[in-house]
Amino acid sequence: AQKVTQAQTEISVVEKEDVTLDCVYETRDTTYYLFWYKQPPSGELVFLIRRNSFDEQNEISGRYSWNFQKSTSSFNFTITASQVVDSAVYFCALSLVDTGRRALTFGSGTRLQVQP
Amino acid sequence: NAGVTQTPKFQVLKTGQSMTLQCAQDMNHEYMSWYRQDPGMGLRLIHYSVGAGITDQGEVPNGYNVSRSTTEDFPLRLLSAAPSQTSVYFCASAFTQGKGNSPLHFGNGTRLTVT
Repeated sequence: AQKVTQAQTEISVVEKEDVTLDCVYETRDTTYYLFWYKQPPSGELVFLIRRNSFDEQNEISGRYSWNFQKSTSSFNFTITASQVVDSAVYFCALSLVDTGRRALTFGSGTRLQVQP
Repeated sequence: NAGVTQTPKFQVLKTGQSMTLQCAQDMNHEYMSWYRQDPGMGLRLIHYSVGAGITDQGEVPNGYNVSRSTTEDFPLRLLSAAPSQTSVYFCASAFTQGKGNSPLHFGNGTRLTVT
């Protein structure tokens, strides 16, 4: 079975600080996808990034960056120069490359509060 | 393009009542699914469908039924609501081509309370 652990339940930072959200996963499969989703206070789930298990390149998108390390089974997410609009719950998730079930195993989420 | 539309947004039921949560998508996605979100537990898969006429169980299917008569719609039925089904329910859809390549698109959720 798969497991995703987000050990940080809640993080509070002041605007313009950098913040890293940790994600550690467990799976016996060698091929899988990792995701990050954002859930703002309005409640919807917003897709941020997908990474497959063969691609360990770090990715940067504006103020967001992701560090995927297979050796430590981690897929951490960093927000640079945080803004109030970044306040949300962030979920890390894992999906196996299976026959169609496409079940996402979610972590329990990290609530990020960015204070002005 | 509305994406994934869920109705209602909020619902209160009494124990034993039945109801259907509606989900519709206009992106011609083959794959649709239902998740429930409970505090501190992330989201868990209830049922999913890889195309019209095909459904299967997820991680927590008990107490829920689904059907997929069209590509666009994937309703979730609670036959006899229980307080343990109090949760926020999310519908999600995606293309199945290149399994896993297409990220899930989520609806805005339905907050259900069972008293």
